[in-house]
Amino acid sequence: ETGVTQTPRHLVMGMTNKKSLKCEQHLGHNAMYWYKQSAKKPLELMFVYNFKEQTENNSVPSRFSPECPNSSHLFLHLHTLQPEDSALYLCASSQRTGMGGAFFGQGTRLTVV
Amino acid sequence: AQKITQTQPGMFVQEKEAVTLDCTYDTSDPSYGLFWYKQPSSGEMIFLIYQGSYDQQNATEGRYSLNFQKARKSANLVISASQLGDSAMYFCAMRPYSGGGADGLTFGKGTHLIIQP
Repeated sequence: ETGVTQTPRHLVMGMTNKKSLKCEQHLGHNAMYWYKQSAKKPLELMFVYNFKEQTENNSVPSRFSPECPNSSHLFLHLHTLQPEDSALYLCASSQRTGMGGAFFGQGTRLTVV
Repeated sequence: AQKITQTQPGMFVQEKEAVTLDCTYDTSDPSYGLFWYKQPSSGEMIFLIYQGSYDQQNATEGRYSLNFQKARKSANLVISASQLGDSAMYFCAMRPYSGGGADGLTFGKGTHLIIQP
């Protein structure tokens, strides 16, 4: 496999459920990101990991919990979400240094009911 | 803080015509990168083209070129000879270069491009 892979592609969960989104990159990058894309809003950066260390948390509610066990894998653990959390969640990776672009996965379409 | 402005919410273009998607940006960082992404209805963000703030020449990638005007803080995307498959959302984004930090991208609201046969 190449590129950035996200699973699942679609997820429907109740407000009391606990679920996790998974992201895996095969590009040899050392930085990984979670973005949220809601309808009619620009993409919002949620979390940044640099060599497995979290370097940025853009005031994201604690019901979203990221985990980065190594430079190739990134998780987003979800619990007690709200309907307004329904969105497309995109994972991306890039090289830490240099000005190359970030490469994105296909996203997980999350619906909270 | 960075800001990206895309003033065209939607555009209709005839197939085979060239199209220009506008993007202006604002930043206080002296060094930065500018990017364009394509997002088809499937949802994946596809990286198209990159321009560094100190690059002297405009970036080109196949049918895509970036018209970079640093003094005007604009980074317009030009698609030559448009095709039906170019129909998608297009996002302009930027990233400051903080000497090695993995800063995330700041995105504009996007332009919905529809290519008509």
